[in-house]
Order: sequence, then structure tokens, then C-alpha cells
Amino acid sequence: AQSVTQLDSQVPVFEEAPVELRCNYSSSVSVYLFWYVQYPNQGLQLLLKYLSGSTLVKGINGFEAEFNKSQTSFHLRKPSVHISDTAEYFCAVSSRGSTLGRLYFGRGTQLTVWP
Amino acid sequence: DSGVTQTPKHLITATGQRVTLRCSPRSGDLSVYWYQQSLDQGLQFLIQYYNGEERAKGNILERFSAQQFPDLHSELNLSSLELGDSALYFCASSVNSGETQYFGPGTRLLVL
Repeated sequence: AQSVTQLDSQVPVFEEAPVELRCNYSSSVSVYLFWYVQYPNQGLQLLLKYLSGSTLVKGINGFEAEFNKSQTSFHLRKPSVHISDTAEYFCAVSSRGSTLGRLYFGRGTQLTVWP
Repeated sequence: DSGVTQTPKHLITATGQRVTLRCSPRSGDLSVYWYQQSLDQGLQFLIQYYNGEERAKGNILERFSAQQFPDLHSELNLSSLELGDSALYFCASSVNSGETQYFGPGTRLLVL
């Protein structure tokens, strides 16, 4: 089975500052990695995903993440945040090559951007 | 908009009752997943269907059941409801089993 740890439950940051949301995973098999964002009172929106290839992946809204296999991490970064980035962010994994595809989620990181 | 629709958006009911949550996947998606989001447990996988057949089960209680119909929409049935079943229930879909999942807006269930 897989597990995901999001190291920070809350990250406050000022507008236009850079941010990093940390995610570590544990798995006995190779994985696919995802970041989802949940705005208040809304569903989960796919931000970006790592399936294979380049370990640096770019997503929507200026976010990017880097897969580090040796450190089993998939940290999310943005060089300059906006008020509108305030939301909860979830890191998730699934088994590579599995035909089942269930996602294992972290507990989420609440990003709050202050003016 | 992910293309996944869920109804109803909100549901308030009493303990002991039964409710049905409905999900329509994105056009062309064969696989449907159900997840529960609660403050206690976070986001938990419940069950997956692929082209009408159950594929995988997660932390789904025996009081809960689901099915996927020939038109590929899915329903999650929750019975003998308890206060602790209050949560946000998400449906997700993917083209094939094991591929990227797209989530619906969720159904917020409140059991009083």
C-alpha cells in the first residue's frame, strides 16, 4: 500500500512571495504522483501530475512540482503567489501500471495568501 | 468544470435513513471512483467501478453500496445513516481504470 505525508497542515504567505508545499510518499512499488487543489466549497481540481519522463512538471496557474525518487518527495512550488491561490492542496499517489488506480491522499495543506 | 456531475449538491437527513448519491462521469470515461472526505479521516477511497463492474473496494462500510449502470452513471447508496457519516462525498472518473482521475463537485451530506 501507499501513504502520503504532507508535512505542513497550514502555510501562510504574503502575496507575491514564493511558496513550497511539501509532500513525501511511501510505496513499495513505483508510483504516479498528483497535486489537486480544492477551493472553498468546491471539488478537487487537478493541478499537475507526474507519470513519467522529466522530473520537473508544470501545471496550471503557474505551479510546478519536482519528483525526487531518492527522497520520495513531490514538492509543489510557485515563484509568486496571488490571493486567488488561497485554497487547500492535496498530494496523491497511485500505483504505476496498476489497472485499479485508486488514489491515496495526504491530509492536505491549507495555503492562505495574505495581502 | 471537470465534466463530472454529482447530484444532489447538499443533503440533510436523519440518523437511520437511507440516501442515494448520483454521479455522471465525463463523456467517454469508463471508470468511476467514490471518495469520502471527512475531518477525521481526510480523503478516503471507497469503491471503484469500471464499465459496470466493481473493480476495487477501499474503506467502504457494509451499510454502503454502489453500482454503475449501463449508461455509465453511478450511484452510491448509504443506509442506516449515523452522525459520523456526515461528510463530503466525491465521485471521480477516468477514461480507463488506472488513469488520471477528474473529480466532481461533491455531495455534502449532513446527518442529524
